[in-house]
Amino acid sequence: NAGVTQTPKFQVLKTGQSMTLQCAQDMNHEYMSWYRQDPGMGLRLIHYSVGAGITDQGEVPNGYNVSRSTTEDFPLRLLSAAPSQTSVYFCASSYGGQSSYEQYFGPGTRLTVT
Amino acid sequence: KNEVEQSPQNLTAQEGEFITINCSYSVGISALHWLQQHPGGGIVSLFMLSSGKKKHGRLIAKINIQEKHSSLHITASHPRDSAVYICAVKGAGSYQLTFGKGTKLSVIP
Repeated sequence: NAGVTQTPKFQVLKTGQSMTLQCAQDMNHEYMSWYRQDPGMGLRLIHYSVGAGITDQGEVPNGYNVSRSTTEDFPLRLLSAAPSQTSVYFCASSYGGQSSYEQYFGPGTRLTVT
Repeated sequence: KNEVEQSPQNLTAQEGEFITINCSYSVGISALHWLQQHPGGGIVSLFMLSSGKKKHGRLIAKINIQEKHSSLHITASHPRDSAVYICAVKGAGSYQLTFGKGTKLSVIP
């Protein structure tokens, strides 16, 4: 099993550009989520999904879109990048959502917006 | 919203020392996670607790539900234990995890 994979590992964008961060898992997990990690702050939830076709907003959703067309994939779209979106982004998955299961994290994507 | 506080923020220890990292939260939870983030950035799950104590190798995690407190202990610390340790909690019936800011541990040979 590859676990949770993320691409790209690094990305530099100019203000106003759009891009998609890719996340995939091969563990047949129902629950997938996107977090951002900023210096001096804990990981913060952007969006999450409890299954194919079902997504919801987390703590900091503004400026980001998600979709979940398959169980495996959960891409995060930045519609018009802003310097405030400079961060490290982590995708995570687990077997379920409301019940508590071990979390599996991807390796992260370091995004810089200039 | 649950508030998660970790202490200390930074910790430097000599190799072989016993390490304790604390996590307190403000609202009742269904589970608490301890995670490890190495300097390379990857995050791995160490423990998930809803009550009592768990042990894995030199690592021990305990939770006191009544006091809303958990602790992570490392016995016979080693330089390879140097990492950021993160506490995260999950509210009952919630899909969301709330994370602490992490404790940066440096173990010196």
